[in-house]
Amino acid sequence: NAGVTQTPKFRVLKTGQSMTLLCAQDMNHEYMYWYRQDPGMGLRLIHYSVGEGTTAKGEVPDGYNVSRLKKQNFLLGLESAAPSQTSVYFCASLKTGAGDTQYFGPGTRLTVL
Amino acid sequence: QKEVEQDPGPLSVPEGAIVSLNCTYSNSAFQYFMWYRQYSRKGPELLMYTYSSGNKEDGRFTAQVDKSSKYISLFIRDSQPSVSATFLCAMKEYGGSQGNLIFGKGTKLSVKP
Repeated sequence: NAGVTQTPKFRVLKTGQSMTLLCAQDMNHEYMYWYRQDPGMGLRLIHYSVGEGTTAKGEVPDGYNVSRLKKQNFLLGLESAAPSQTSVYFCASLKTGAGDTQYFGPGTRLTVL
Repeated sequence: QKEVEQDPGPLSVPEGAIVSLNCTYSNSAFQYFMWYRQYSRKGPELLMYTYSSGNKEDGRFTAQVDKSSKYISLFIRDSQPSVSATFLCAMKEYGGSQGNLIFGKGTKLSVKP
């Protein structure tokens, strides 16, 4: 049971390049989330999904797109990277019930030059 | 005013100290209150969960919620260097949409031997 995994762990992009971040969970959770974490800003929700084939916008969705084609995977895409998207990106999945615990992945450190 | 306010610190204390970490919030609809712990270069992990008002104790950690004052606290007793981490408060409304949490910015705690 690996929990939540994220690929890649690190990435450096040039302005205007595109990339996809992959999140995978093996806990059969319905809900999945993408956050970004910046110094002094805390965790901010980018997009989330309440089930396979569904996605919704969070607090800071601009410049990002997501897809949830399979229940266990949640992809975050940057079509044209900007320096403002330099951040640490975390994926999480939710176990519903008492506590509604979100389980986080280890993060992806992205630098956009 | 942000929905959740948390002093980012950093906070440095000697080994054995009692630590108090706090968050204030403005949304009276918040019913679920959590504390996540995040070690350096890792994803957050759930530490404590409390529903509505009251106290909850788990080992050296005590979570306290005062809904009348819109104030939550995490107390750490006999703190050890291994406790050093960033602590994030998180909250959500009863029946809050899709398990979405509102996070504080996190307080970085360092326990010195």
